[in-house]
Amino acid sequence: QKEVEQNSGPLSVPEGAIASLNCTYSDRGSQSFFWYRQYSGKSPELIMFIYSNGDKEDGRFTAQLNKASQYVSLLIRDSQPSDSATYLCAVNPSGGSYIPTFGRGTSLIVHP
Amino acid sequence: NAGVMQNPRHLVRRRGQEARLRCSPMKGHSHVYWYRQLPEEGLKFMVYLQKENIIDESGMPKERFSAEFPKEGPSILRIQQVVRGDSAAYFCASSPGTDGNTIYFGEGSWLTVV
Repeated sequence: QKEVEQNSGPLSVPEGAIASLNCTYSDRGSQSFFWYRQYSGKSPELIMFIYSNGDKEDGRFTAQLNKASQYVSLLIRDSQPSDSATYLCAVNPSGGSYIPTFGRGTSLIVHP
Repeated sequence: NAGVMQNPRHLVRRRGQEARLRCSPMKGHSHVYWYRQLPEEGLKFMVYLQKENIIDESGMPKERFSAEFPKEGPSILRIQQVVRGDSAAYFCASSPGTDGNTIYFGEGSWLTVV
C-alpha cells in the first residue's frame, strides 16, 4: 500500500520564525508532489507543487524534494499567525495513476 | 474563471435517507475526484471519474455509494440509506489530467446524518 506519512503535530513556532514541515512517502517511483493548506472547516488549498529534486521557492514558501530519501518538505519563512493551519502533503504515485495520496497533515500553530 | 463548484455546502439527512452531492469541475478540466474527510482524519480517496467513465472507484464503499459524471451536467456522488458514520466532509477536486496533474478542490459539502 502506497503511503504518505506526516507528523500530526501540532508544530508550534513563534511569529517570524521558519516553520519546517516534513513528509515521507513509500512509493519510490512517485513523480509529483504537492503541498496543500487547510484551515479548519475549509477545503484544501494548493500552495506548491514540485517534480524535481532540489528546492523550489515561491514567496515565503520553499518546497524541498529528495527522491533518493523519499522525503519532501515545506519551509515557511517569516511565519505569520495567518499561516496557522493544517498542511497536507500529497503524492502522485507511479504507474500512470493520477490519483494523489494524501498524508494526514501537520497542524501548524504560529503564535504572536 | 470559476473554480470547482460544489453544492450543497451543508446537508442534513436522517438515517435511511439519500444524500446527493454535486460537483462542477473547473473550466477546462475533464477529471473529477471525490475525497472524504472524517473529523480529525485525513483525506481519503473515494472515486476518480472522467466524462461518462469511472476510472477508479477503489476507495468507495461497495454498498450504498455511487458516483457518476455524465456527458452533460455535474458529477454526482450519491449515498443511499445514510448512516451516522457517513457524516463527513466530502470534497470534490478537478484536474486537466495532464502530466503532473495538479488537482484543485471545491469548497466541500458537509453531510450530517441525524
